[in-house]
Amino acid sequence: DIVLTQSPDSLAVSLGERATINCKSSQSVLYTSNNKNYLAWYQQKPGQPPKVLIYWASTRESGVPDRFIGSGSGTDFTLTISSLRAEDVAIYYCQQYYSSYTFGQGTKLEIK
Amino acid sequence: QVQLQQSGPGLVKPSQTLSLTCAISGDSVSSNSDAWNWIRQSPSRGLEWLGKTYYRSKWYNDYAVSMKSRITINPDTSKNQFSLQLNSVTPEDTAVYYCARGNQGDHFDYWGQGTLVTVSS
Repeated sequence: DIVLTQSPDSLAVSLGERATINCKSSQSVLYTSNNKNYLAWYQQKPGQPPKVLIYWASTRESGVPDRFIGSGSGTDFTLTISSLRAEDVAIYYCQQYYSSYTFGQGTKLEIK
Repeated sequence: QVQLQQSGPGLVKPSQTLSLTCAISGDSVSSNSDAWNWIRQSPSRGLEWLGKTYYRSKWYNDYAVSMKSRITINPDTSKNQFSLQLNSVTPEDTAVYYCARGNQGDHFDYWGQGTLVTVSS
């Protein structure tokens, strides 16, 4: 199985500041034939299912604010929230769909 | 707008079978481009993909290796829904179970509301 390791486990950021969450894969999730990274990012709030924010590592899901930015390739990926808002408090997960499906352990984002 | 509505019991006895259903609206279980998944979440195991069913001119299933001996996912075209059966459950199967649509690859773009299933006598 591909193991995804997120860092940090928790993060406190001031409103309006940038939040950065990292996801490292135990093997590349870049499919060279189509040059796509098979990686997605999700946001989960208490009592709710995860909500997809980003897929193909950097494509924003319809309706997701443009302050959510996905980047990276191969084994190293980043989710950046460019200017934190109170409603962004949640747990964030990365997920790979290159080989079966696995998720990172999650990063808890709070307000400082 | 796609919606997934889960149903099924919240309490299952050890060694018995966990059964859940996910009713689809706004899409078809027989879609040639989507897949229909079960995922669970627990504090000890995090988010864990269990398996999927999908139609590509015929029906296919794909299961997590760890689940393969105990799991069955079936489509029901007459009711536009799909189901999960997990046999021989133990307390370690206690989790919130989600159904989800797999899209483009697959990431999971629509989710059911979640069902907390507790395995206890």
